[in-house]
Amino acid sequence: AQSVTQLGSHVSVSEGALVLLRCNYSSSVPPYLFWYVQYPNQGLQLLLKYTTGATLVKGINGFEAEFKKSETSFHLTKPSAHMSDAAEYFCAVSDRDTGGFKTIFGAGTRLFVKA
Amino acid sequence: GAGVSQSPSNKVTEKGKDVELRCDPISGHTALYWYRQSLGQGLEFLIYFQGNSAPDKSGLPSDRFSAERTGGSVSTLTIQRTQQEDSAVYLCASSLDSHYGYTFGSGTRLTVV
Repeated sequence: AQSVTQLGSHVSVSEGALVLLRCNYSSSVPPYLFWYVQYPNQGLQLLLKYTTGATLVKGINGFEAEFKKSETSFHLTKPSAHMSDAAEYFCAVSDRDTGGFKTIFGAGTRLFVKA
Repeated sequence: GAGVSQSPSNKVTEKGKDVELRCDPISGHTALYWYRQSLGQGLEFLIYFQGNSAPDKSGLPSDRFSAERTGGSVSTLTIQRTQQEDSAVYLCASSLDSHYGYTFGSGTRLTVV
């Protein structure tokens, strides 16, 4: 069965610092991988996704993530944090074998950005 | 519609009452999902519908929970005899294809008192 582990329920960075949110998955075959962001009192929105092709994917708001099969990881990064990045971030995987329609979400990482 | 619409946005109900939560997906999206998000928790999968296939109900926590999707569009999640532990935000999402990821609604915040 698939599972998703996000290391750190809370991450705090200073404005302008590197953002690194960690995600590891467990799957028998390389799955589809996603990052979603949830701003306060809002629904989730898709930040970026990996399905096939280039392993470094770029998303909205300057975020990117790299699929590393050997490490079963899909960490999310942003070179320079902005105050508006403060939100909760969810890593998610779906099973390629079943057509990818059922997605399992990680527990989430709340990002705090200090001025 | 332009996005996934959920109603009501907030619902307060008494323990033991039944509630119905509605989701109107994006037009043309064949897949529809329900998740539950409890305070400080991640998203818990409940059920999904894909086209005319039988729904995957493997995430429903008890037989008090049920969902239907009429005409391949609007879905209703019903919780019977609500309990306090049912209090959570119920999120609906739809997708055209697994490659695209989900589009989420804003959720229904259910409070059972």
